[in-house]
Amino acid sequence: DTEVTQTPKHLVMGMTNKKSLKCEQHMGHRAMYWYKQKAKKPPELMFVYSYEKLSINESVPSRFSPECPNSSLLNLHLHALQPEDSALYLCASSQEAARVQDTQYFGPGTRLTVL
Amino acid sequence: QQQVKQSPQSLIVQKGGISIINCAYENTAFDYFPWYQQFPGKGPALLIAIRPDVSEKKEGRFTISFNKSAKQFSLHIMDSQPGDSATYFCAASTGTASKLTFGTGTRLQVTL
Repeated sequence: DTEVTQTPKHLVMGMTNKKSLKCEQHMGHRAMYWYKQKAKKPPELMFVYSYEKLSINESVPSRFSPECPNSSLLNLHLHALQPEDSALYLCASSQEAARVQDTQYFGPGTRLTVL
Repeated sequence: QQQVKQSPQSLIVQKGGISIINCAYENTAFDYFPWYQQFPGKGPALLIAIRPDVSEKKEGRFTISFNKSAKQFSLHIMDSQPGDSATYFCAASTGTASKLTFGTGTRLQVTL
């Protein structure tokens, strides 16, 4: 099973709302990632968790708050977002973060619209 | 220094033809070069990858050609099929799997 699941598939929120995105994998991977992808653009790395600890934060605004409750779960908490934050949010996982040839497996993404 | 340049932006190929997508990089520290395929509404999926100590890698209809001296690599899709219609991203990383630098993407359309 090489599946990364993400919920919800679609999310519409106002600028004052608080919402969360959820990602789950059961491949025993110890590295998990959040990416943001705008239309017709490549994915942009936001955060990397390695062994449940945040190892990379690509200078993401604090209105995005990641959380890794256990090795299978990754959340992204959203608060006071701006319309320009509307995008496809992708979760990925890999066996390790430190091995260059480890494949990153992506989930289908959550399509976020901020009104 | 961290950029990966990808061309063309879009490509239309007839069924049975060869699709060729090119990428170029500047950072000589890159040591892993994967290609990802993304269908609309889906996340990217690894298609094929190469390390710089190899000049060519083939998996089925997909071949990566790698030119280390020119700092270029390309994806060839032989016998292109309508089901190959997707967006293709080249990528590169150095040292760890954590930070993939993606190319800008190529939207491939294979016509009947």
